[in-house]
Amino acid sequence: SYVLTQPPSVSVLPGQTARIPCAGHNIGFKSVHWYQQRPGRAPMLVVYDDSDRPSGISERISGSNSVNMATLTLIRAEAGDEADYYCQVWDSDSDHVVFGGGTKLTVL
Amino acid sequence: QVQLEQWGAGLLKTSETLSLTCAVFGGSFTDFYWNWVRQSPGKGLEWIGEMRHTGTTKINSSLRSRVTLSVDTSRKQFSLKMTSVTAADTAVYYCAQGEAHYQLESWGQGTRVTVPS
Repeated sequence: SYVLTQPPSVSVLPGQTARIPCAGHNIGFKSVHWYQQRPGRAPMLVVYDDSDRPSGISERISGSNSVNMATLTLIRAEAGDEADYYCQVWDSDSDHVVFGGGTKLTVL
Repeated sequence: QVQLEQWGAGLLKTSETLSLTCAVFGGSFTDFYWNWVRQSPGKGLEWIGEMRHTGTTKINSSLRSRVTLSVDTSRKQFSLKMTSVTAADTAVYYCAQGEAHYQLESWGQGTRVTVPS
């Protein structure tokens, strides 16, 4: 089955740029989606189709996808960005939605 | 903007059947895919399955033998049943609206289901 790999944690200083990677075999050929989940809350879609943002999502959040790595980027990090972030794809071989293991973003 | 409201029993005994329902408000019930996702305590997201208004389902192979998904188009509701639950099924269960490329646009508030060991 298809596997998405994320680092368990990423730290960033306030005002700096955080990058959260999501690795998968030939992930560049898939549409990658990203979710933000704050403690005790439901996940929220923040990027879809690699780099598009739903309405209402901050322009400080962006996504990219290339070959074997997709990346979620948050510029000018704020305390409010602290959350778990999950990448997700559809695996057509197994007909499954697949999530990465999630990355906890800490703003130091 | 679609909004989802879910409900169901939160405390089950081993071997009982989990039953959750999600109601859809706003948007077209026939335009989207209706999903269930769960999250065990302190863990990541696990996809359970999806259903379309036509009745077509896709279910996580690891749960397929115990999961049944259904829809009631007239009520704009969809449901999850999972049989023979154990402590390993203790989790927060979410319903979610799926879009064309399987992104999950809107989510229910979550239902915490506990199965004591």
